[in-house]
Amino acid sequence: AQKVTQAQTEISVVEKEDVTLDCVYETRDTTYYLFWYKQPPSGELVFLIRRNSFDEQNEISGRYSWNFQKSTSSFNFTITASQVVDSAVYFCALSVYSSASKIIFGSGTRLSIRP
Amino acid sequence: DVKVTQSSRYLVKRTGEKVFLECVQDMDHENMFWYRQDPGLGLRLIYFSYDVKMKEKGDIPEGYSVSREKKERFSLILESASTNQTSMYLCASSLLSGYEQYFGPGTRLTVT
Repeated sequence: AQKVTQAQTEISVVEKEDVTLDCVYETRDTTYYLFWYKQPPSGELVFLIRRNSFDEQNEISGRYSWNFQKSTSSFNFTITASQVVDSAVYFCALSVYSSASKIIFGSGTRLSIRP
Repeated sequence: DVKVTQSSRYLVKRTGEKVFLECVQDMDHENMFWYRQDPGLGLRLIYFSYDVKMKEKGDIPEGYSVSREKKERFSLILESASTNQTSMYLCASSLLSGYEQYFGPGTRLTVT
């Protein structure tokens, strides 16, 4: 069975601080895909990144970076120099090759950035 | 940019009514999905479709049906709405299996 765990239910930091959102996944498939989504207060889920299981390179996009480590089954997301606009619920998700139409979402981490 | 649109942002219906939620995507995606999102329960998959006229049950299909007559349109049907179907409904599409899903703005349905 597949599972995604986001142990941090809520995080609150002051603007300009760095913050890391943790994601731990479980699967026995060797081919799988990992995702991060952002859900701002408006409600629409916004796709941020997709990684496949064969690509462990870290990714950086502006203030966002992702650390994928198969050894610890983790796919953590870091926001550098956080801004108020980063306030949202962030979801980590997993899709496995054997049932790749379905995405399993974590329970989400609510991030609040205080000015 | 991928665009997924949903017919209504807010909808109020009475118990027992038949409810149609419409979703349209404009990127020729093969797969389409319906989720509901409830506080404390996260996103739960209701149904998905990987081709026209094809559908598969998700995790919570009871009380719902779907229709996909055209590739770009995926409808969620509540045959007889009940108060426990009050929720945020999210539609999504993806190019192929294993690819990221793109979501619509959501429909907040209230059944009274």
